Amino acid sequence: GQNIDQPTEMTATEGAIVQINCTYQTSGFNGLFWYQQHAGEAPTFLSYNVLDGLEEKGRFSSFLSRSKGYSYLLLKELQMKDSASYLCAVDSGGGADGLTFGKGTHLIIQP
Amino acid sequence: EAGVAQSPRYKIIEKRQSVAFWCNPISGHATLYWYQQILGQGPKLLIQFQNNGVVDDSQLPKDRFSAERLKGVDSTLKIQPAKLEDSAVYLCASNSRGIAEAFFGQGTRLTVV
Repeated sequence: GQNIDQPTEMTATEGAIVQINCTYQTSGFNGLFWYQQHAGEAPTFLSYNVLDGLEEKGRFSSFLSRSKGYSYLLLKELQMKDSASYLCAVDSGGGADGLTFGKGTHLIIQP
Repeated sequence: EAGVAQSPRYKIIEKRQSVAFWCNPISGHATLYWYQQILGQGPKLLIQFQNNGVVDDSQLPKDRFSAERLKGVDSTLKIQPAKLEDSAVYLCASNSRGIAEAFFGQGTRLTVV
């Protein structure tokens, strides 16, 4: 089966750094995605990792270790607008590339 | 570039009624997905189309859910008859071959009472 685990909720302070972890066990692996979803809105793409290592994009970075089935999303210089749910998702391949999502991590930014 | 369009935004129906959702993907995107997102959970893939053909419908409850994409552009998802547990946001997404990320519409929030 497919299993993706991430913390349900995290709290951080404006201006600080937060790391959201994701572990996965899937039947195959074609890549790992992070999406941001504000309440009542569509998920928006943040990052994509297919090889091991760190991908940096502005204030957001994502890391992948395929051997450990592990990824994290790192958010720096937190802003109030970063309060949202962060969804970890895996493309397990096999011809179809629909994503298997985790339940999401609700991130609360405090002043 | 216009995004993924979905309608209606909200729908309230009684159990055992039928309902249909519509999606128009980004122009030129061959792949279209329907996801179901229950409150507090991540999206769950229901069906994936490549042009007008079904690639994956393994998680679609086929006794009550159906979907079509007849001309390989827009798509409809239907539920008949609806159950209380179908209350969720139904998200449509699309992407293009060679591009990893999928683009999501704002979804249709369905409430079954």
